[in-house]
Amino acid sequence: AQSVTQLDSQVPVFEEAPVELRCNYSSSVSVYLFWYVQYPNQGLQLLLKYLSGSTLVKGINGFEAEFNKSQTSFHLRKPSVHISDTAEYFCAVSEFGNEKLTFGTGTRLTIIP
Amino acid sequence: DAGVIQSPRHEVTEMGQEVTLRCKPISGHNSLFWYRQTMMRGLELLIYFNNNVPIDDSGMPEDRFSAKMPNASFSTLKIQPSEPRDSAVYFCASSPRQGANTEAFFGQGTRLTVV
Repeated sequence: AQSVTQLDSQVPVFEEAPVELRCNYSSSVSVYLFWYVQYPNQGLQLLLKYLSGSTLVKGINGFEAEFNKSQTSFHLRKPSVHISDTAEYFCAVSEFGNEKLTFGTGTRLTIIP
Repeated sequence: DAGVIQSPRHEVTEMGQEVTLRCKPISGHNSLFWYRQTMMRGLELLIYFNNNVPIDDSGMPEDRFSAKMPNASFSTLKIQPSEPRDSAVYFCASSPRQGANTEAFFGQGTRLTVV
């Protein structure tokens, strides 16, 4: 069965500094990978997804993530964060042939002015 | 499209009462998912439907929980009887077609408080 581990539950970052949110997954088959963002009192919104092809995926709001199959990782990065990036970020995985989307426990990103 | 619509946004009920949460997926979407979010357990998939048929309900915690999708534009999640430990935010999501490579679109959620 697939699983996702987000190693950091909270990440404080100064405004305009870079950030990396870590995600590792476990699966016995090929996977699709996603990052979602949840703003306070909102539903989840897709930031980016990796389906196939280039391992570097660019998403909305200046975020990008890199799929590393050998390390089973899909870390999310942004070179310069803004106050508006304050939110909770979820990594998710689904396996080929199975729609079930499994989420990590989330990382709360706090931007310090 | 207005997106996935859930109602009510907030629900406060007494222990033992029946609670029904409602979801209208995005028109044309074939898959529908119910998730529960709590601080302790994060986001858990409860059940999902393809073309109105339940495919995987292994995440439904107990027999007190039931979900239906009578047609392509409506789904309900019912808890009967409700208990304080059911307090959580319940999300409905839909996706355009069957297949793991499609993103899920989430509603705003229903915050359920059982007292």
